[in-house]
Amino acid sequence: DGGITQSPKYLFRKEGQNVTLSCEQNLNHDAMYWYRQDPGQGLRLIYYSQIVNDFQKGDIAEGYSVSREKKESFPLTVTSAQKNPTAFYLCASSIRAGTDTGELFFGEGSRLTVL
Amino acid sequence: EDKVVQSPLSLVVHEGDTVTLNCSYEVTNFRSLLWYKQEKKAPTFLFMLTSSGIEKKSGRLSSILDKKELFSILNITATQTGDSAIYLCAVSGANSKLTFGKGITLSVRP
Repeated sequence: DGGITQSPKYLFRKEGQNVTLSCEQNLNHDAMYWYRQDPGQGLRLIYYSQIVNDFQKGDIAEGYSVSREKKESFPLTVTSAQKNPTAFYLCASSIRAGTDTGELFFGEGSRLTVL
Repeated sequence: EDKVVQSPLSLVVHEGDTVTLNCSYEVTNFRSLLWYKQEKKAPTFLFMLTSSGIEKKSGRLSSILDKKELFSILNITATQTGDSAIYLCAVSGANSKLTFGKGITLSVRP
């Protein structure tokens, strides 16, 4: 079955620690995205990648970093510079890169809690 | 900056009621508007709208886009408890990324 796999589903970390969230897709999609969801805030774009070895900052990229070394994988690192890291993180992919995003396919999400 | 505003932010209805969810937007070089349903974790795709006045329908759900007035509505008829969810509206513009609204939390009571 094709889809997007995020791990871990739940993660607890102490303040000041970096943490990496995994996102893998087997849909052969070109574009991948990371969103953050807070209660009452909807989805806000952190980073996106339209092609391997290339990525762009979204609306709230500060305190986060990504890599896109393989088409299937787009890990997100939440660094200690992110002031409010506790949130629900969603990874998504879409068939097309370029100017018409089209439908997004989402993973099940990773809930990060910083203690 | 692209902007999407959904209303109301939350509503509670009883089974069998009809609901209308609203989405207005401001976006540079509009390309499409999408509706998603989020029950627990992963949002699932409902509709993609690109042309004004053409209704898209799937069972009890339907949606339409007005590109002149810059809004879309999502209608749900004969609501069921399984329709309880967050409904997300997003628009795609010139910068090849989706901008989401804050979502509408719908609760359907038995």
